[in-house]
Amino acid sequence: EAGVAQSPRYKIIEKRQSVAFWCNPISGHATLYWYQQILGQGPKLLIQFQNNGVVDDSQLPKDRFSAERLKGVDSTLKIQPAKLEDSAVYLCASSLVGGRHTEAFFGQGTRLTVV
Amino acid sequence: GQQVMQIPQYQHVQEGEDFTTYCNSSTTLSNIQWYKQRPGGHPVFLIQLVKSGEVKKQKRLTFQFGEAKKNSSLHITATQTTDVGTYFCAAANTGNQFYFGTGTSLTVIP
Repeated sequence: EAGVAQSPRYKIIEKRQSVAFWCNPISGHATLYWYQQILGQGPKLLIQFQNNGVVDDSQLPKDRFSAERLKGVDSTLKIQPAKLEDSAVYLCASSLVGGRHTEAFFGQGTRLTVV
Repeated sequence: GQQVMQIPQYQHVQEGEDFTTYCNSSTTLSNIQWYKQRPGGHPVFLIQLVKSGEVKKQKRLTFQFGEAKKNSSLHITATQTTDVGTYFCAAANTGNQFYFGTGTSLTVIP
């Protein structure tokens, strides 16, 4: 079974530029998560989708971050404009359903460096 | 977001010693998951606890969910170098959003 695919693996941009990350979850997984993990910290939930609907985006900085999951499969996360403090690993995860008995499978992540 | 604290932040043990990390929440949790993240890697699911007072074992790992469903612990017996990594709890509220704890970084000295 293929895992969660993310691209790119690494990205270096200058502040105020824009960047986009892509995630392809495990086939059949209804729930998709985007997490931000700053070095030395735990993953911070940015947004959670159930199919193509948003379940929780309370910690998403909506003035600069946006995410979509068209057709309930792939998802993109965009930052525009980027700030230095956005440097982090962006992790995508998926689970079969957003119920009580589901484990999340994580992708390898995209390491973003903003200079 | 939900506040989930883990202690200790770091732990260095000699190989063969035991290790315990604790996860604490100020609110009652729906369920809790534990993940392991190796250096440079991504979180990997270990287990999920749902019931009050639940205890689950996986070989040398023992997971416990508190009676009040506000805290949890992970205990590793006789650590090995393969246990190195950061252990995170992820706490779910009634909406089933998972909020990760601050993590405990484990170093095992051979």
